[in-house]
Amino acid sequence: EPEVTQTPSHQVTQMGQEVILRCVPISNHLYFYWYRQILGQKVEFLVSFYNNEISEKSEIFDDQFSVERPDGSNFTLKIRSTKLEDSAMYFCASSVGDRILFEAFFGQGTRLTVV
Amino acid sequence: DQQVKQNSPSLSVQEGRISILNCDYTNSMFDYFLWYKKYPAEGPTFLISISSIKDKNEDGRFTVFLNKSAKHLSLHIVPSQPGDSAVYFCAATSNRDDKIIFGKGTRLHILP
Repeated sequence: EPEVTQTPSHQVTQMGQEVILRCVPISNHLYFYWYRQILGQKVEFLVSFYNNEISEKSEIFDDQFSVERPDGSNFTLKIRSTKLEDSAMYFCASSVGDRILFEAFFGQGTRLTVV
Repeated sequence: DQQVKQNSPSLSVQEGRISILNCDYTNSMFDYFLWYKKYPAEGPTFLISISSIKDKNEDGRFTVFLNKSAKHLSLHIVPSQPGDSAVYFCAATSNRDDKIIFGKGTRLHILP
């Protein structure tokens, strides 16, 4: 069964360092998303990406964050200068079409720990 | 600003009985609701959904009920099985948005 894969599963980084979280969405999917879940809190939307550009982003997704689809398969989330409060589980998701009709499939997540 | 609320952080149900997970929402613009299931160390997995034009959707042991006037939906699992033990997220979205709004989740424990 096709699945969304994320690497690494766990990333520890020092405050102020840059991190890149990687995702390989399902191959025929066209919409890509990043969500995050801070420990004990709800899953929060960060950004959606379609047709090689950001289609929507939340207030959390400030200038420290960027997304890229560098090739036909990868979808990355970069945090330029990490802060302690960026520590969370980051989930990548993809869907084949408009999410009303086509549900998003989530990856297993990358746990980011900023120390 | 909690647009999707799951007021029960946890729920314990005997195996074989019915599990009822509740969810309330505040945004009347939502027109599609989803339930996701999450095991530890895994991402959320889609379980079942319902459009705002319906009041019930059934898929095997899982049924979702929507009461638009009360802005309330519930997920019924019957009969409950040990493998149902997980965190269940209620979520909502609308035609105008590109994002899914999640509730905080309810941890379901199925007791032997």
